[in-house]
Amino acid sequence: GNSVTQMEGPVTLSEEAFLTINCTYTATGYPSLFWYVQYPGEGLQLLLKATKADDKGSNKGFEATYRKETTSFHLEKGSVQVSDSAVYFCALSGGGSNYKLTFGKGTLLTVNP
Amino acid sequence: ETGVTQSPTHLIKTRGQQVTLRCSSQSGHNTVSWYQQALGQGPQFIFQYYREEENGRGNFPPRFSGLQFPNYSSELNVNALELDDSALYLCAGSLAGGDEQFFGPGTRLTVL
Repeated sequence: GNSVTQMEGPVTLSEEAFLTINCTYTATGYPSLFWYVQYPGEGLQLLLKATKADDKGSNKGFEATYRKETTSFHLEKGSVQVSDSAVYFCALSGGGSNYKLTFGKGTLLTVNP
Repeated sequence: ETGVTQSPTHLIKTRGQQVTLRCSSQSGHNTVSWYQQALGQGPQFIFQYYREEENGRGNFPPRFSGLQFPNYSSELNVNALELDDSALYLCAGSLAGGDEQFFGPGTRLTVL
């Protein structure tokens, strides 16, 4: 079945540091890949997505590239801010009839001023 | 703002009781999915509804059931609550055939 493995947290960075959160996946076929963000006490917000190999998703300074050869979708940001502190989830949608999302366990990011 | 609302925000129940959680999605989201997120874990897919019929189910027992109404709102019902049912329950709206899901803020269920 489908699965997502993402980097164990927590991750603690200083403001303006470079961020990488690793994500690898196992899936049959050609899934769509997503990064969701969850701020304290809130639901999930879609951060970015990519639907086919070599696509790059980007939003709010975050980027991730769909790498089929390494089955990876690593999240990066060049300069993090305190407001980026949140839990980040990598997810895939395997298509089929219901497009259910399979999530990783999440990575807690804390950015200190 | 995703246009998806859930009620109640928080709920406390005791083991063996039954609970109903509600979700309302903006017009156009004709598909609704429910997820369970245990503390410190990623969300797990419970089931999805489309045209008022169940359209896929995750690894959850039959005591988890749902409904979708003609206005696309939805309910998640859980019977015979167990302590392990304590979690954040997330509802997500989407368009049929679309892979992007829009999540509500969730209902925090505590089972004592």
